[in-house]
Amino acid sequence: KAGVTQTPRYLIKTRGQQVTLSCSPISGHRSVSWYQQTPGQGLQFLFEYFSETQRNKGNFPGRFSGRQFSNSRSEMNVSTLELGDSALYLCASSSPDSTDTQYFGPGTRLTVL
Amino acid sequence: DQQVKQNSPSLSVQEGRISILNCDYTNSMFDYFLWYKKYPAEGPTFLISISSIKDKNEDGRFTVFLNKSAKHLSLHIVPSQPGDSAVYFCAAYKGNNNDMRFGAGTRLTVKP
Repeated sequence: KAGVTQTPRYLIKTRGQQVTLSCSPISGHRSVSWYQQTPGQGLQFLFEYFSETQRNKGNFPGRFSGRQFSNSRSEMNVSTLELGDSALYLCASSSPDSTDTQYFGPGTRLTVL
Repeated sequence: DQQVKQNSPSLSVQEGRISILNCDYTNSMFDYFLWYKKYPAEGPTFLISISSIKDKNEDGRFTVFLNKSAKHLSLHIVPSQPGDSAVYFCAAYKGNNNDMRFGAGTRLTVKP
């Protein structure tokens, strides 16, 4: 079974631009969660999608949004990028039978200049 | 490819006893290892870390052991408390590259 994939792996943007990141979960997984990892900090939860609905949301500004498609693929969008948005963005998927076990993708490294 | 593996999806222990969570990795280039704790509907929170130059790091009730030759690390919680019940993730990365790899997690249940 293929793992969680994220595209692109690396991205460089400038302040004020917007960006869309993509995550394809493991086949059969319907839950996708997004996390932000910044240097020196732990993972911070962004949001979780399940069956095309946002189920949980972390404490991030409205510039961060996401969606999930009928095939469970998910996208995350960040608008009006700020320097502080430079981070590793991870998505994780889990199956309906075991929502505790999250399988993480390799992440997208976003650099905002 | 799953470079970091947690082979036990769940673990149940009695309050006051020791909890041992295990993690294996395949990439010998990893030189920094972390454990995260996660409650439902929250992001994982950092718990403890260890670099490859050490074989043990202790922080209160939590101790992480690293066996580089076996590519194995473990988290010991002594004594275990009901509030420790959560999902624990191990993670690893190489040098100054924050390209971190995570295990799938182990759910720890501490029974009163």
